[in-house]
Amino acid sequence: QVQLQESGPGLVKPSETLSLTCSVSGASINNYYWSWIRQPPGKGLEWIGYIYYSGSTTYNPSLKSRVTISIDMSENQFSLKLNSVTAADTAVYYCARLFRGSYWYFDLWGRGTLVAVSS
Amino acid sequence: DIQMTQSPSSLSASVGDRVTITCRASQRIYKYVNWYQHKPGEAPNLLIYAASSLQSGVPSRFSGSGSGTDFTLTISSLQPEDFATYYCQQTYSTWTFGQGTKVEVK
Repeated sequence: QVQLQESGPGLVKPSETLSLTCSVSGASINNYYWSWIRQPPGKGLEWIGYIYYSGSTTYNPSLKSRVTISIDMSENQFSLKLNSVTAADTAVYYCARLFRGSYWYFDLWGRGTLVAVSS
Repeated sequence: DIQMTQSPSSLSASVGDRVTITCRASQRIYKYVNWYQHKPGEAPNLLIYAASSLQSGVPSRFSGSGSGTDFTLTISSLQPEDFATYYCQQTYSTWTFGQGTKVEVK
């Protein structure tokens, strides 16, 4: 059974960098796309970006200047870095596996981790 | 960005009810719509992809329809485990989600 688990600090100071890791168990990270999505309190879901196991990335244009997604094949995990954070980046952050065929969809998600931006 | 307007934002229903949730896109997106179910504290779950294709393992009481700008998620007979929040998502261009529909106990 494939499982995704987000981990990282639950509190980040304004202007600093938010860093999260998604550990994948039960399957290899090879040959798939992997993504990050977030949900601010009381708001809707926002797609952040995705990475292919080869390392190629695509980001949401609204966040592109501040986001880096990377992958670590040896650890079977991928990571998110979001720099220059503000209170608006407070959210539950989800990692997900992305299926790409004729259509794209998130077929597996983690449970999410809450990150608060506050001094 | 393409806006996905989901309605209603919440609804109250009873076990056995037929439930319909609608998503309208701000421009034509063919069949590039997915539907997810989300329960508090759990991982979201894919129900429908490509507007009408049922994800493997999802009960057949869930169905999706639509193309172009108007899409519908239907639960034919609501079960106790179906009380949750449902989201539509478009993957035609810079992926966006609807605001969600919370299905509550009547």
